[in-house]
Amino acid sequence: SAVISQKPSRDICQRGTSLTIQCQVDSQVTMMFWYRQQPGQSLTLIATANQGSEATYESGFVIDKFPISRPNLTFSTLTVSNMSPEDSSIYLCSDGGRQGTGITDTQYFGPGTRLTVL
Amino acid sequence: GNSVTQMEGPVTLSEEAFLTINCTYTATGYPSLFWYVQYPGEGLQLLLKATKADDKGSNKGFEATYRKETTSFHLEKGSVQVSDSAVYFCALRNQAGTALIFGKGTTLSVSS
Repeated sequence: SAVISQKPSRDICQRGTSLTIQCQVDSQVTMMFWYRQQPGQSLTLIATANQGSEATYESGFVIDKFPISRPNLTFSTLTVSNMSPEDSSIYLCSDGGRQGTGITDTQYFGPGTRLTVL
Repeated sequence: GNSVTQMEGPVTLSEEAFLTINCTYTATGYPSLFWYVQYPGEGLQLLLKATKADDKGSNKGFEATYRKETTSFHLEKGSVQVSDSAVYFCALRNQAGTALIFGKGTTLSVSS
């Protein structure tokens, strides 16, 4: 199975500020995904982060609010910009395929970043 | 479009009871199906999966069979333990390399 780490594990932020979440995968992956899990809810896909191209956002999510970087095949960042209390959620990254071994259909998740916005 | 529907929770059981959590899906093509589990305060873990019709996924005493005719992937366990208390998510992936689509999750609470 994959090893995926995220930093920070949790944070408490003030309204109007921004937070950048880092995601590190233990081997090269073709795609990485970012999800949001609002309190007591399921996971909602925010965007797909592709190395070498811009991220692809799902309906309801925009680049200005959630800019994503993907500088290489093992790392990605998600920034939550101009935060409001409604952004309080767990943010999870996930891998979408293993470089060089064909695309697997199992998706592994990082431990999540628990964000509270005051 | 693709979607996953899970039974509403919470599900409350006594230890050693039989568990069923229903999951049905709508998808174009032939998706892979998954059950993930989220223990309190922890991240999401893969519990089991099935990639084609009639496949049975199993792990830690849990089982689920991919039923194409009923578009279902119900999770079962013959005898639950207190340590099984968690939120269970059914999910599908329609094509390799695309993101998982999740159901709303079902909270299971097992008491001794």
